[in-house]
Amino acid sequence: QTVVTQEPSFSVSPGGTVTLTCALNSGSVSTANYPSWYQQAPGQPPRTLIYNTNIRSSGVPDRFSGSILGDRAALTITGAQADDEFDYYCVLYIGRGISVFGGGTTVTVL
Amino acid sequence: EVQLLESGGTLIQSGGSLRLSCAASGFTFRDYSFNWVRQPPGKGLEWVSVISGSDLGSVTYYADSVKGRFTISRDDSRDTLYLHMKSLSAADTAVYYCAKFPSPRIRGDLNWFDSWGQGTLVTVSS
Repeated sequence: QTVVTQEPSFSVSPGGTVTLTCALNSGSVSTANYPSWYQQAPGQPPRTLIYNTNIRSSGVPDRFSGSILGDRAALTITGAQADDEFDYYCVLYIGRGISVFGGGTTVTVL
Repeated sequence: EVQLLESGGTLIQSGGSLRLSCAASGFTFRDYSFNWVRQPPGKGLEWVSVISGSDLGSVTYYADSVKGRFTISRDDSRDTLYLHMKSLSAADTAVYYCAKFPSPRIRGDLNWFDSWGQGTLVTVSS
């Protein structure tokens, strides 16, 4: 069974930088998993941030960036703001039409 | 403006069946593939199923957790996506979102959700 793991929570100071990661239990994450990232407020549908590892969706500020760091996908928030306090989810494509969500990371800015 | 509007969520007894709908507007429905993604109360998101464009054969894929119980389908004449669910259990209790892919194809580089509906709540009582 494929499991995608994210940090459960992260705290960052206003103006600081935080990097969230997304790991695959079956091995390294690569660009061939086409990582995407989504931001979700409580009670709201997700908002698309990043796709194909590092392409920002329309309207997403450039302080959000995606990459591969070592064997994981990563989402970096540079210059964190109070209104970045959301849940963040990664999605990996594992082939055969199958997508797998990570468990999500709750980001706190304080 | 792209709009996806889910409906059909309700309180249902364990073992029952239910059909969810997702009505689309603001774009050419037949030109895209679509997904169902669910979220149990207070928990994370889970991908459920995907269907390709009908010109590509309406190919479908499912998460292991729903395979054999759920069926995704589409009606391009009605601009509507469906999810037929049977043998429901408490583990299926969730908000179900309809989510659009940017292409009719199901392919890695096109495997990201570019639009989401507001969701519909399915509650399965045991």
